[in-house]
Amino acid sequence: ETGVTQSPTHLIKTRGQQVTLRCSSQSGHNTVSWYQQALGQGPQFIFQYYREEENGRGNFPPRFSGLQFPNYSSELNVNALELDDSALYLCASSISATSKEQYFGPGTRLTVT
Amino acid sequence: QKEVEQDPGPLSVPEGAIVSLNCTYSNSAFQYFMWYRQYSRKGPELLMYTYSSGNKEDGRFTAQVDKSSKYISLFIRDSQPSDSATYLCAMSEGNQFYFGTGTSLTVIP
Repeated sequence: ETGVTQSPTHLIKTRGQQVTLRCSSQSGHNTVSWYQQALGQGPQFIFQYYREEENGRGNFPPRFSGLQFPNYSSELNVNALELDDSALYLCASSISATSKEQYFGPGTRLTVT
Repeated sequence: QKEVEQDPGPLSVPEGAIVSLNCTYSNSAFQYFMWYRQYSRKGPELLMYTYSSGNKEDGRFTAQVDKSSKYISLFIRDSQPSDSATYLCAMSEGNQFYFGTGTSLTVIP
């Protein structure tokens, strides 16, 4: 059974650019949640995707958007990057939208200069 | 006021000690309470979760929830150097999870 994978591992972007991060959910999981973890902080919920639809969103601006594909993999897109967007971006998959057991990927470390 | 408060530590204990990690919260709607372990440069790993008040034990780990005090704890017995990591508490309301800032733990051999 393959765990949650994320790509790329690291990314450096310039302020104002756009970025796409990718996540492959664990086999059998139909729900993916995305989190932003700033240095020294806990993960902050960005949004959740369940069966290709957004199913809840945290306090993040619309320039944070996402997609989920029929195979339940997911993308996080961030437009107009700001310096404060520098963080570890984590995705977590779960077997259903109501499950409390989330399995995290290793994250993508984004640096905005 | 943050939804979830957690002392960031760092906490340093000798091998074999009992470790107590704690979080407080303000939202009485939280029903599920989770503990995660995060090693450096890795994603969080779920240790255990509990529903509502009470205790739950899994090997060397015991989670306690006191909803009346809005206080949760994780106890680690017979701590090992491999337990050295950051421990995150998390709570959920619906499908949203709220994490503490994490407590950094070092177990000294």
